[in-house]
Amino acid sequence: ELKVEQNPLFLSMQEGKNYTIYCNYSTTSDRLYWYRQDPGKSLESLFVLLSNGAVKQEGRLMASLDTKARLSTLHITAAVHDLSATYFCAVDTVAGKSTFGDGTTLTVKP
Amino acid sequence: DTAVSQTPKYLVTQMGNDKSIKCEQNLGHDTMYWYKQDSKKFLKIMFSYNNKELIINETVPNRFSPKSPDKAHLNLHINSLELGDSAVYFCASSQEGRLLMNTEAFFGQGTRLTVV
Repeated sequence: ELKVEQNPLFLSMQEGKNYTIYCNYSTTSDRLYWYRQDPGKSLESLFVLLSNGAVKQEGRLMASLDTKARLSTLHITAAVHDLSATYFCAVDTVAGKSTFGDGTTLTVKP
Repeated sequence: DTAVSQTPKYLVTQMGNDKSIKCEQNLGHDTMYWYKQDSKKFLKIMFSYNNKELIINETVPNRFSPKSPDKAHLNLHINSLELGDSAVYFCASSQEGRLLMNTEAFFGQGTRLTVV
């Protein structure tokens, strides 16, 4: 059974700082997603990573995928309060099925 | 226009009742899903339908029965509700792409079910 582990689960950081969220998964996959969820809201797709070495950037967030290490990272640069949310990675191994990590709740403090 | 819409947004009901949640997507996607998010925010897939056919059923009690009248709709009916069914239920859809792997999912706004 596929396991997807994120760490840390909770992250409190100051504005302006950098940090990385890690997503490890246990079986072969070449498709990984990052989603954002604001409190009480739905999930919104951030990135789709489709192959080994894929890197995508949007604003202060950058995601990468290393399929050999079964690892994806979500790097936050110069955090701002608006980035406070819960971030989920999700991995596909079977068509139509994504297994989600437990989520990383990020709080950015002034 | 809302891409994936589900109703109701909130549902409070007594144990033992039967209830339904409706979901519709206007994105033209082939695949629709139901996810359950518990109080710790853990998100777990329940069902997946592709072109009205059930393709994933993840050890969900028989009390939960999805129904897909067409590929734009996926409803969830729950019989004999239990306290442990309290959660947020998300509907989602995605497009089948290359090698039968899907694109990212688009989620509805969620239905917060509270069983009392």
